[in-house]
Amino acid sequence: AQSVAQPEDQVNVAEGNPLTVKCTYSVSGNPYLFWYVQYPNRGLQFLLKYITGDNLVKGSYGFEAEFNKSQTSFHLKKPSALVSDSALYFCAVRASYGNNRLAFGKGNQVVVIP
Amino acid sequence: GAGVSQTPSNKVTEKGKYVELRCDPISGHTALYWYRQSLGQGPEFLIYFQGTGAADDSGLPNDRFFAVRPEGSVSTLKIQRTERGDSAVYLCASSLTSSGTASTGELFFGEGSRLTVL
Repeated sequence: AQSVAQPEDQVNVAEGNPLTVKCTYSVSGNPYLFWYVQYPNRGLQFLLKYITGDNLVKGSYGFEAEFNKSQTSFHLKKPSALVSDSALYFCAVRASYGNNRLAFGKGNQVVVIP
Repeated sequence: GAGVSQTPSNKVTEKGKYVELRCDPISGHTALYWYRQSLGQGPEFLIYFQGTGAADDSGLPNDRFFAVRPEGSVSTLKIQRTERGDSAVYLCASSLTSSGTASTGELFFGEGSRLTVL
């Protein structure tokens, strides 16, 4: 079964500094990887995905993520964090074949300090 | 509407009561998912529909939980004899997908139905 680990509970970063949110995954075969963001009392919003091709994928709001197969990681990054980036971030993985179940990590709270 | 719509947004009920939560997916999306999110946790998979049929219901925690999607659009999650441990936010999502293959498409989530069992 597929699973995701997001090792940090909270990530604090000063506004304007680089932001990294870590994610490692476990899945049989090739992974499809996703990042979602959740603002207070809102649903999850899609940020970006890796399906195949270039290991560096770019998504919404200036976010990007790098797929690293050897380290089974898919860390989310943003070069310069904004206060408005403060939210809960979820990494998710699905197998490239078989069922369509998307497995989520427990999430990371990102706090951008002005 | 343009997005996934879930009703009610909040539901407070007493232990032992029956509850229905409704999801109206994005028009044209054949796949529909139910997830449950407890405080401080990521979404936990419950059930996935492809069209009218439940393609994967292995995430339903027990036989008190049941979901239907009779016409391949709106879905209802039904919880019988609710327990305090059922308190959570129930999320619905839909996506474009092809039956029998793993979808490359992202899921579009509703804002959830917050269930509180007293």
